[in-house]
Amino acid sequence: GAVVSQHPSWVICKSGTSVKIECRSLDFQATTMFWYRQFPKQSLMLMATSNEGSKATYEQGVEKDKFLINHASLTLSTLTVTSAHPEDSSFYICSAKLAGGLNEQFFGPGTRLTVL
Amino acid sequence: GQSLEQPSEVTAVEGAIVQINCTYQTSGFYGLSWYQQHDGGAPTFLSYNALDGLEETGRFSSFLSRSDSYGYLLLQELQMKDSASYFCAVRSGAGSYQLTFGKGTKLSVIP
Repeated sequence: GAVVSQHPSWVICKSGTSVKIECRSLDFQATTMFWYRQFPKQSLMLMATSNEGSKATYEQGVEKDKFLINHASLTLSTLTVTSAHPEDSSFYICSAKLAGGLNEQFFGPGTRLTVL
Repeated sequence: GQSLEQPSEVTAVEGAIVQINCTYQTSGFYGLSWYQQHDGGAPTFLSYNALDGLEETGRFSSFLSRSDSYGYLLLQELQMKDSASYFCAVRSGAGSYQLTFGKGTKLSVIP
């Protein structure tokens, strides 16, 4: 099956710093990738939809200047949390959809962000 | 807006059958998916229903009734490893593959 990787798997940073999370589709091309945030014992909340070569589409309430998304190639999307604060601590998960594929999204293993 | 309702927790005995229900209210509907997530792990795809009826994949089956805005996931011959959270998710756009997730049902399988 299709594999999606994320890096790093966990990160601890100081408040005010920026953190970049990478999401890669390893064995397929993904024209569309999705970024989710999941707080403990809660559901996955879609943050933004990332399309290769174009600007990301952000969900209501998600600050695009704080969560910068770049989808520079068909296999890589990055999420940068700028000026992170403790309330940004969460589990960030990306997913990718096969170009022309079925309705299945393939999820990365997630990145646990802790902001001190 | 979009809302999906599913029970927060379910407990069942190993070897038994359990059904997890999901009702939804969405503006637009193109299909209902089910995902499994173990603690600390990534969601993994289980099934997708676009049309009414039952889809069977091994021990897992998923059902959809679009007229009732209702679906369920059926897990048979429960195993301890099935203990996880199960999320229903609605795809609400034709061209968009965005998913809106329910809050998840934590299934605990006991001996």
